[in-house]
Amino acid sequence: EPEVTQTPSHQVTQMGQEVILRCVPISNHLYFYWYRQILGQKVEFLVSFYNNEISEKSEIFDDQFSVERPDGSNFTLKIRSTKLEDSAMYFCASSVDNRGDTQYFGPGTRLTVL
Amino acid sequence: KQEVTQIPAALSVPEGENLVLNCSFTDSAIYNLQWFRQDPGKGLTSLLLIQSSQREQTSGRLNASLDKSSGRSTLYIAASQPGDSATYLCAVRRGGAQKLVFGQGTRLTINP
Repeated sequence: EPEVTQTPSHQVTQMGQEVILRCVPISNHLYFYWYRQILGQKVEFLVSFYNNEISEKSEIFDDQFSVERPDGSNFTLKIRSTKLEDSAMYFCASSVDNRGDTQYFGPGTRLTVL
Repeated sequence: KQEVTQIPAALSVPEGENLVLNCSFTDSAIYNLQWFRQDPGKGLTSLLLIQSSQREQTSGRLNASLDKSSGRSTLYIAASQPGDSATYLCAVRRGGAQKLVFGQGTRLTINP
């Protein structure tokens, strides 16, 4: 069964450094998402992406975040200058369409900012 | 602003029991509701999706119901097994939006 994959599974970085989290969505899906979950808190939406454009973003997704689909298979989340409070599990998800289809989640990347 | 609440926060039951997990949401203008399972330190596994026009969905021992007008959904697990131990999350999607809004989850423990 097709699944969303994410790399790396765990990333440790120093405060102020840039990190790139990578995702490979399910191949026939057209909508891509990033969510995050700070330890002990709810899963929070960051951004959705369709047709090489951001289609929706939350107030969390400020100028230090960016997303890109650099090729036909990868979807990336970049954090330009990491802060301690960016430490969280970051989940990528994808869906076939935006008309009510199931969002399928990847296993997550645990980001630790020191 | 949509708020999603799950009660109880934690539940522990003996193996073999049937159980119900609850999810409530404040804005009934939803497009669909999704139930997920999350194992410790792992990703989210989609269990069931209910569209706003549906009343329930079934998958194996799982049955999810939706009462949109009252802002409630339940996840019924029949004949629970130790392997069902996990955190169960519900999430709603508002019409016209793409984001899912999550509850905080119910941590379920099935005791052998």
